Amino acid sequence: AQRVTQPEKLLSVFKGAPVELKCNYSYSGSPELFWYVQYSRQRLQLLLRHISRESIKGFTADLNKGETSFHLKKPFAQEEDSAMYYCALSTGTYKYIFGTGTRLKVLA
Amino acid sequence: DAGVIQSPRHEVTEMGQEVTLRCKPISGHNSLFWYRQTMMRGLELLIYFNNNVPIDDSGMPEDRFSAKMPNASFSTLKIQPSEPRDSAVYFCASADGVGANVLTFGAGSRLTVL
Repeated sequence: AQRVTQPEKLLSVFKGAPVELKCNYSYSGSPELFWYVQYSRQRLQLLLRHISRESIKGFTADLNKGETSFHLKKPFAQEEDSAMYYCALSTGTYKYIFGTGTRLKVLA
Repeated sequence: DAGVIQSPRHEVTEMGQEVTLRCKPISGHNSLFWYRQTMMRGLELLIYFNNNVPIDDSGMPEDRFSAKMPNASFSTLKIQPSEPRDSAVYFCASADGVGANVLTFGAGSRLTVL
């Protein structure tokens, strides 16, 4: 079955500390993976996608097919990074499978 | 483009009442999705439309839920009768095609059923 797992509901880090939001997926084909972010009182929006292989707001994510992971990383967290982060998988059809989300709190 | 537009932003209603949520997708997008967001279950796909046609409604929880897309620029999600467990944030999203194409979400409709 297709599944996206985000094991942490809440992740708290201090400003300036490294951040890693975990995402594991289960899918037998070639997945398209995304990270979406929802800042307080804002709509859910795309943060980055694995096929773009780019860094957005200092965040990067590498697809590891061996470990079926797509962890989101940032070397130095900032207070404005506090938000809800969702990992999502697209199977190439209309099915986007979302994880349950991780709330990141960056403490001053 | 103003993006995906949803209304109402907030709805408080009493159990048993009918609720209608509305969505205007981005012009030119041919895929429309309704999602429900709760603390316990995260984002769940309720229904997917392609070119105004419902393709997959397997996520619609019960017969109390129905969705329509009468044209390319408008969709509704209706709950009748509403129950307290329907309280959630309902998101509409649209995309140009599917697959690796990005979903553009609306601001959501926060529903509270008392």
